[in-house]
Amino acid sequence: QSALTQPPSASGSPGQSVTISCTGTTSDVGNFNYVSWYQQHPGKAPKVMIYDVTKRPSGVPDRFSGSKSGNTASLTVSGLQAEDEADYYCSSYAGRNNLVFGGGTKLTVL
Amino acid sequence: EVQLVESGGGVVRPGGSLRLSCAASGFTFDGYGMTWVRQAPGKGLEWVSTTNWNGGSTGYADSVKGRFTISRDNTKNSLHLQMNSLRAEDTALYYCARAHDPANDFGPPGYWGQGTLVIVSS
Repeated sequence: QSALTQPPSASGSPGQSVTISCTGTTSDVGNFNYVSWYQQHPGKAPKVMIYDVTKRPSGVPDRFSGSKSGNTASLTVSGLQAEDEADYYCSSYAGRNNLVFGGGTKLTVL
Repeated sequence: EVQLVESGGGVVRPGGSLRLSCAASGFTFDGYGMTWVRQAPGKGLEWVSTTNWNGGSTGYADSVKGRFTISRDNTKNSLHLQMNSLRAEDTALYYCARAHDPANDFGPPGYWGQGTLVIVSS
């Protein structure tokens, strides 16, 4: 049950694109298409932005997109806006009724 | 509208016990897996435990296995987490969360409550 690896920080200017990676293993990210991404603003509960690797819940702007290659999943935020500044976490099913989260990435909009 | 409201948090001494509850509404409770996730102050999210739709299958993080027990009462639309032998490192905000997909009880959750705070301190 090792945590998924995310960069601790990422940044971009308004209008730019930024990609956050989430690296796991063949036991989690690499073996299941059950990866979600969450946005968490200070003092708030996490909100799902992407589920099942690429799917976007209704109400989430299409500026948010997800992908996966091998053991690494990625979240891309295009056309950065000030309100995108938050912590982002990935999560993956890890088999045998286990779930695992990434350590989180603090996204700063410059 | 999906609503998840946690309760039962508080201050407890090391070695003590606490029972968290989560009241669910706005969806067919017995159609979804349910999960507890915690977040220590200033830290990231940590999966704690998940139960399938009827409580017949569960999973636990190694850090809580043997000390915490997840359960649910589908007649009352409620989820519980019995926490025993509590340690200082269990101090965290505990979130109740619902599976995103009724066909995937143990996948990453899609809906979250606001959390209940547990502080383990002497």
